[in-house]
Amino acid sequence: AQKVTQAQTEISVVEKEDVTLDCVYETRDTTYYLFWYKQPPSGELVFLIRRNSFDEQNEISGRYSWNFQKSTSSFNFTITASQVVDSAVYFCALSEARTDKLIFGTGTRLQVFP
Amino acid sequence: KAGVTQTPRYLIKTRGQQVTLSCSPISGHRSVSWYQQTPGQGLQFLFEYFSETQRNKGNFPGRFSGRQFSNSRSEMNVSTLELGDSALYLCASSLLSSGGAIDTQYFGPGTRLTVL
Repeated sequence: AQKVTQAQTEISVVEKEDVTLDCVYETRDTTYYLFWYKQPPSGELVFLIRRNSFDEQNEISGRYSWNFQKSTSSFNFTITASQVVDSAVYFCALSEARTDKLIFGTGTRLQVFP
Repeated sequence: KAGVTQTPRYLIKTRGQQVTLSCSPISGHRSVSWYQQTPGQGLQFLFEYFSETQRNKGNFPGRFSGRQFSNSRSEMNVSTLELGDSALYLCASSLLSSGGAIDTQYFGPGTRLTVL
């Protein structure tokens, strides 16, 4: 069965701090896709990053970076030098091959204080 | 390029009524998926349509149905509304799924449905 776990319910940081959001997933498929989405108070889910199971290279994009480790089934997301505008709920999601069905974690609410 | 649009943005209905929500995908996107978001159950997959055919369905009762038109626009319908149907309904579109690889889903702003 597929499952995504985000153990952190809420995180509070002060502006300019780095923050890492944890995500652990379960799947039996060898080909799968992992995503991070951001949901600001307006409600729309905003796509942030995507990682394919066959590509374990970790990257940095601006203030965002991610650490994908198949050995521990983790896909953690880091925001460097956080800003107040980063305040939102962040969702990790999993999708297996041949299906557009996204399995979401319960989300982590990030509050960045000035 | 315009994003995914959903109408209406807010809706108030009473128990027993039915409701239809609309979703227009990003131009060129042919797959549309629907999700329900509630505080208790989180984000849950409802169904996915591609080329006017339902390809996947989540674990929801038959009161929840949908369809897709030839221009890829999609509607979802909930009949005999219950209080528990109060939720944010999100629509997402993706370019095309082929050969096992999937495309990123882009979400609309959602329709917030309140059932009284």
